Amino acid sequence: KNQVEQSPQSLIILEGKNCTLQCNYTVSPFSNLRWYKQDTGRGPVSLTIMTFSENTKSNGRYTATLDADTKQSSLHITASQLSDSASYICVVSVMDSNYQLIWGAGTKLIIKP
Amino acid sequence: DTGVSQDPRHKITKRGQNVTFRCDPISEHNRLYWYRQTLGQGPEFLTYFQNEAQLEKSRLLSDRFSAERPKGSFSTLEIQRTEQGDSAMYLCASSLLGQGAKNIQYFGAGTRLSVL
Repeated sequence: KNQVEQSPQSLIILEGKNCTLQCNYTVSPFSNLRWYKQDTGRGPVSLTIMTFSENTKSNGRYTATLDADTKQSSLHITASQLSDSASYICVVSVMDSNYQLIWGAGTKLIIKP
Repeated sequence: DTGVSQDPRHKITKRGQNVTFRCDPISEHNRLYWYRQTLGQGPEFLTYFQNEAQLEKSRLLSDRFSAERPKGSFSTLEIQRTEQGDSAMYLCASSLLGQGAKNIQYFGAGTRLSVL
């Protein structure tokens, strides 16, 4: 069964600190992996997208890694800001599917001043 | 504003009533998706269109749900005889076919439905 699992479920850190969110997936055949940021009451916004051959992708203070062998990905946030408070969702796309995205439940990140 | 827009942002209705939501995708995007999201969960796929053709529907989409995209531009999602279990955020996304395997979906802000 295609699944995406994220950890931790929630995380609280102080402003300015770094953090790393984890994503494990069992999706086959794999096409690409995306990280989305979703603010409360808003739609998800794409942060990074990586195909099988890419093992790291950065977007400002966000850096995503992908290990296709172990089927793991991480999202590292550097020098966190209050505006980083949101849910971060890992999404894996199935190869040869026009639409199917397998969504994780997300990690809820709270940044405290 | 050239993003995906959804209307209304919030809808409160009584059980048994019908509701209709609208989604306007990014203008050049030919794919449009509907998702449902409940608190603490990731979005669940409901259906998608390529131009005006509805190409796939999830098993989550019961007979009470119907979606249309009559001219390949905006789309509507109607829920008939609403039930309390329909309370959720309904998200619309659009993407452009031809962007290779990445097919990035851009999401609207969603319509939050509360069924009393």
